[in-house]
Amino acid sequence: AQKVTQAQTEISVVEKEDVTLDCVYETRDTTYYLFWYKQPPSGELVFLIRRNSFDEQNEISGRYSWNFQKSTSSFNFTITASQVVDSAVYFCALGGTDSWGKLQFGAGTQVVVTP
Amino acid sequence: EPEVTQTPSHQVTQMGQEVILRCVPISNHLYFYWYRQILGQKVEFLVSFYNNEISEKSEIFDDQFSVERPDGSNFTLKIRSTKLEDSAMYFCASRGRSQETQYFGPGTRLLVL
Repeated sequence: AQKVTQAQTEISVVEKEDVTLDCVYETRDTTYYLFWYKQPPSGELVFLIRRNSFDEQNEISGRYSWNFQKSTSSFNFTITASQVVDSAVYFCALGGTDSWGKLQFGAGTQVVVTP
Repeated sequence: EPEVTQTPSHQVTQMGQEVILRCVPISNHLYFYWYRQILGQKVEFLVSFYNNEISEKSEIFDDQFSVERPDGSNFTLKIRSTKLEDSAMYFCASRGRSQETQYFGPGTRLLVL
């Protein structure tokens, strides 16, 4: 069975600080996909990034970066120089190719950025 | 940029009533999904749909739920006889054949009284 754990329930930071969100996953699939979604107070789910299990290269996209470590089954996400608009719930999600692509979500981490 | 749309944005209904939630997936996508999120909780998978049939469903998706793609654009979720515990945000999502990213609609907030 697939499982995603986001141990941090809430992180509070002051604007311009960096925020790192932790995500640990479990899966028996040999090929899988990891995602981060953002849910602002308005409620929609906004896709941020996707990483394939066969590509462990870590990247930076603007203020977002991620650290995928297959050896520890972790997929951490960092927001650099946080802004008030980054305040949201962030979900890590796992999708396998053995199923019809359903996503298993973590419990989410509430990020609060204060000015 | 193409996006998934959902209607209505909010729906209030009485327990025991039928509701239909509507979604228009991204036009060239082939895989469709419904998820729900009870207030303050995580997003849960309900059902996936491909080639005009259900490909997978969760244990939440019991006989009270059904999905349909009545035409080439709409994708609906029907709850036959709503219960109080069906109150949640319902998200529709779609993805294309080659890409694995699911794009979500803005959600329908359902309140059952």
